[in-house]
Amino acid sequence: DIVMTQSPDSLAVSLGERATINCKSSQSVLYNSNNKNYLAWYQQKPGQPPKLLIYWASTRESGVPDRFSGSGSGTDFTLTISSLQAEDVAVYYCHQYYNIPFTFGPGTKVDIK
Amino acid sequence: EVQLVQSGAEVKKPGESLKISCQGSGYTFSNYWIAWVRHMPGKGLEWMGSINPGGSDTKYSPSFQGQVTFSVDKSISTAYLQWSNLKASDTAIYYCAKSGTSAYSGCSFWGQGTLVTVSS
Repeated sequence: DIVMTQSPDSLAVSLGERATINCKSSQSVLYNSNNKNYLAWYQQKPGQPPKLLIYWASTRESGVPDRFSGSGSGTDFTLTISSLQAEDVAVYYCHQYYNIPFTFGPGTKVDIK
Repeated sequence: EVQLVQSGAEVKKPGESLKISCQGSGYTFSNYWIAWVRHMPGKGLEWMGSINPGGSDTKYSPSFQGQVTFSVDKSISTAYLQWSNLKASDTAIYYCAKSGTSAYSGCSFWGQGTLVTVSS
């Protein structure tokens, strides 16, 4: 199985400041035939289901604010919230869909400082 | 508007069987894989597997193979997750999610979740 790790486990950021979450996969999730990274990011707020933010590592889902961005390739990925808003308090998960069984990272909790 | 409406919370005893549902609307149900994801209390998300409503092809995580069964009824745009012998360790929230036209896709939209509690 591909093991996904995330860092940090949690972080607290001041409103308007940048939040950066890292995700690492135990093997590459880049499919060379189409040059796509099979990596997604989700946001989960308390009591709600997860919501897709980013797919193919860097493509923002329709309707997601542009303060959310994804980057990286191969085994190392980053989710950046450029200017943290109060409504961004949530747990963020990365997810590889390159190899079955698909796997999720353990999550990073983002709070307001 | 895409919607995935899951069946309500269940309380069961160990050894009992259970079938929960996930009804899709607002898109062509048979064209998109449906994934099932487990969220145990205080834990992260676990991909259980997925099913192709169009052809009933299934992909199971080895961790769940033989423990659960996926099925669909295309006529009512509904996917099902079934257990025949529940255990206390099956206590969790179960989400269905609309995936892509390929099995190798992320989860673009999630149902609200079904809480399953297994306790004697």
